[in-house]
Amino acid sequence: QKEVEQNSGPLSVPEGAIASLNCTYSDRGSQSFFWYRQYSGKSPELIMFIYSNGDKEDGRFTAQLNKASQYVSLLIRDSQPSDSATYLCAVTPTGNQFYFGTGTSLTVIP
Amino acid sequence: NAGVMQNPRHLVRRRGQEARLRCSPMKGHSHVYWYRQLPEEGLKFMVYLQKENIIDESGMPKERFSAEFPKEGPSILRIQQVVRGDSAAYFCASSPREGSSYNEQFFGPGTRLTVL
Repeated sequence: QKEVEQNSGPLSVPEGAIASLNCTYSDRGSQSFFWYRQYSGKSPELIMFIYSNGDKEDGRFTAQLNKASQYVSLLIRDSQPSDSATYLCAVTPTGNQFYFGTGTSLTVIP
Repeated sequence: NAGVMQNPRHLVRRRGQEARLRCSPMKGHSHVYWYRQLPEEGLKFMVYLQKENIIDESGMPKERFSAEFPKEGPSILRIQQVVRGDSAAYFCASSPREGSSYNEQFFGPGTRLTVL
């Protein structure tokens, strides 16, 4: 079983809609959770991190964490074409090893 | 404020040669992580280093791969006797590991290694 699982997509949403990206993880001891955005041929760029159960909002982005269900999600409100990218979920139990999912490809249609 | 720097950006090697990839962390960061990304795959953790110490190398292949982060200079990922399967993008990330940014990582542009 993979440590971190994401739907590979592609996920397509119209401009202005809410994009919902999901991630599950297998290690119950995981403490920190991250969402990265990666444009094709580029390096990952940190969007948000979350440590505690519940929601964390930053501008158009909201991260949601449910440790009991081992589930973390990212909502993107008012999606823009520039949000089209691959979104990577990352998890770390200790801060020493980081486990990344394979990413969800998002396309925002103008 | 310079970000994480990696060089070379592109590296071509023939089978059996050595590849050396360099990473300079962000100013003030003393923690470095190396990852490998194969086409259409996710990032795979390889090794975590602090200055002069390897903290966790559980993701590193046991043979041909080594990493170091000396007191002075960049971190280096060395691949000896490269094979075609080593062709990938290698990313370095650095972290401050302090305060509220304890676990945040910032990635360099990557080195694309091609083995002919």
